[in-house]
Amino acid sequence: QVQLQESGPGLVRPSGTLSLTCVVSGLSISSGNWWSWVRQSPSQGLEWIGEIYHTGSTNYNTSLKSRVTITVDKSKNQFSLRLTSLTAADTAMYYCVTRPFIHYYFDQWGQGTLVTVSS
Amino acid sequence: DIQMTQSPSSLSASVGDRVTITCRASQNVRTFLNWYQQKPGQAPNLLIFGASSLQSGVPSRFSGSGSGTDFTLTISSLQPEDFATYYCQQSFNAPPFTFGPGTKVDLK
Repeated sequence: QVQLQESGPGLVRPSGTLSLTCVVSGLSISSGNWWSWVRQSPSQGLEWIGEIYHTGSTNYNTSLKSRVTITVDKSKNQFSLRLTSLTAADTAMYYCVTRPFIHYYFDQWGQGTLVTVSS
Repeated sequence: DIQMTQSPSSLSASVGDRVTITCRASQNVRTFLNWYQQKPGQAPNLLIFGASSLQSGVPSRFSGSGSGTDFTLTISSLQPEDFATYYCQQSFNAPPFTFGPGTKVDLK
């Protein structure tokens, strides 16, 4: 059974940088899935941030593209999110999710990690 | 980007009721439309993909229909465990992927 587990700081400062990691178990990150980050807040709802393939190929939400970097570490079977220039609007629950390569639905989700941007 | 709307934003229903939720896309997404259920404190869970295909393990009381810009999720007989928020998500020409604002189903 595929499991995704997010980790990272729960509190980050405005103008700072958020770094989150998602550890994948039960499936090789090189299996052929795409690996995404999705966030959820009361004001923005569910928002897709971006995704990465094991080759390093990435796609980003154009609204966040200037501030987002997603990377993959195949040796640790994990992928990571880096989001810069944080504001209160980035406060949200952050989920790591995955979709099969040839499909466009998210069939596995992590439990989520709450990130608050505050001084 | 393609925008998604849902109606109603919330509804109250009783166990055994037939419930229908509507999702509308701002442009034609063919059948690239998925539905998720989210319970409090949990991540969303995939129910329906490709507008009408039931995800493995999802009860058959859930069904989806539609194509183009208008879609529906139907729960044929609402069960206690179905009280949750439901989201549609389009994936036509994705990425990007966009979600609807959600429909909360609660107990009447």
